Amino acid sequence: DVVMTQSPLSLPVTLGQPASISCRSSQSLVYSDGNTYLNWFQQRPGQSPRRIIYKVSNRDSGVPDRFSGSGSGTDFTLKISRVEAEDVGVYFCMQGTHWPPTFGQGTKVEIK
Amino acid sequence: EVQLVESGGGLVKPGGSLRLSCAASGFTFSNYSMTWVRQAPGKGLEWVSSITTGSDYIYYADSVKGRFTISRDNAKNSLYLQMNSLRAEDTAMYYCATLIMGPTIDYWGQGTLVTVSS
Repeated sequence: DVVMTQSPLSLPVTLGQPASISCRSSQSLVYSDGNTYLNWFQQRPGQSPRRIIYKVSNRDSGVPDRFSGSGSGTDFTLKISRVEAEDVGVYFCMQGTHWPPTFGQGTKVEIK
Repeated sequence: EVQLVESGGGLVKPGGSLRLSCAASGFTFSNYSMTWVRQAPGKGLEWVSSITTGSDYIYYADSVKGRFTISRDNAKNSLYLQMNSLRAEDTAMYYCATLIMGPTIDYWGQGTLVTVSS
């Protein structure tokens, strides 16, 4: 199975400051159709996961533009340009290129 | 409004069985492959099982293969997970989800908690 490794696992951030989460895969996530199937999920405290980014860099509807995804191959990043209180939670990357789908361990974002 | 509502979780002894259900509404359920994802308390997400729209293809994680059975009833807009021979390590919140990789909206339920303990 493809191993997804996130860092850091804990990320204290000051309100209004940027945050960055890294996600690395054990194999290239480029599929035979040329797409890279890497999603990011946000899980707020006590809530279900919610997809916020699909195919590396595409924001889901209703996701603020302070969230952005980037990367290629095996190296991916989720950035929050200016952290707000509602961004507190755990963020997971997930690959869907190789079967079975696998998730990163999660990065807990909290306010300093 | 789109809803995925899981039910059927609870406390069960090791070796016991449970059947989880997921009732879908607000979208064309029969057009979506469906997936069960679980999350052990305080832990990350783990893919458990997926089923295609017409139940033609079914997949299981190695950790549940031979013990869990996924199924769906498109006429009832429902997804199921029959869990047998339950173990302590199956203790988790179980979510049903569409787990979409492309631009189509991705839906998740609120989860149902399964606790396996004597």
